[in-house]
Amino acid sequence: NAGVTQTPKFQVLKTGQSMTLQCAQDMNHEYMSWYRQDPGMGLRLIHYSVGAGITDQGEVPNGYNVSRSTTEDFPLRLLSAAPSQTSVYFCASRSQGTYNEQFFGPGTRLTVL
Amino acid sequence: AQKVTQAQTEISVVEKEDVTLDCVYETRDTTYYLFWYKQPPSGELVFLIRRNSFDEQNEISGRYSWNFQKSTSSFNFTITASQVVDSAVYFCALSEPESGYNKLIFGAGTRLAVHP
Repeated sequence: NAGVTQTPKFQVLKTGQSMTLQCAQDMNHEYMSWYRQDPGMGLRLIHYSVGAGITDQGEVPNGYNVSRSTTEDFPLRLLSAAPSQTSVYFCASRSQGTYNEQFFGPGTRLTVL
Repeated sequence: AQKVTQAQTEISVVEKEDVTLDCVYETRDTTYYLFWYKQPPSGELVFLIRRNSFDEQNEISGRYSWNFQKSTSSFNFTITASQVVDSAVYFCALSEPESGYNKLIFGAGTRLAVHP
């Protein structure tokens, strides 16, 4: 199993550009989520999904869109990048069961100029 | 109000010292889960432990041990005989029923530097 994979590892954007961060998992996990990590703030939840076709907002959803058309994939879209979106983005997944831990991907480091 | 507080921003120790990382949380729920994750310099997040609110037994795994005290809302992490490979940022996190347990609320992290 590859676990949770994310592409790209690094990305530099100009303000106003759009892009999609890719996330895939091969563990057949129902739950997937996106977090951003900023210095001194830990990780904060952007959006999450409890299954194909079902998504919901987290703590910091503004400026980001998600969709979940398959169990495996959960892309994160930045429609018009802003410098405030410079961050490290982590995708995570977990299997059903309230006690189960989340498995994280390797992260995408995004810089918006 | 911060729900998970890791008051120690950075800790520096010399190899073989014991070190305790503090975590204090806040929740109105009686059922919840607490986690610790390690983020080594390579950047990935590594799951270390999960604890549910009904299990107050302390846990030991090799050089790692965790002390969960509901009375003080704390879930502290101790590394015994620290090693250079323990150098990392450590995050404490909380999961509550309010979000269907789908959301991890992270503390700001504690950066541990272990020097030879």
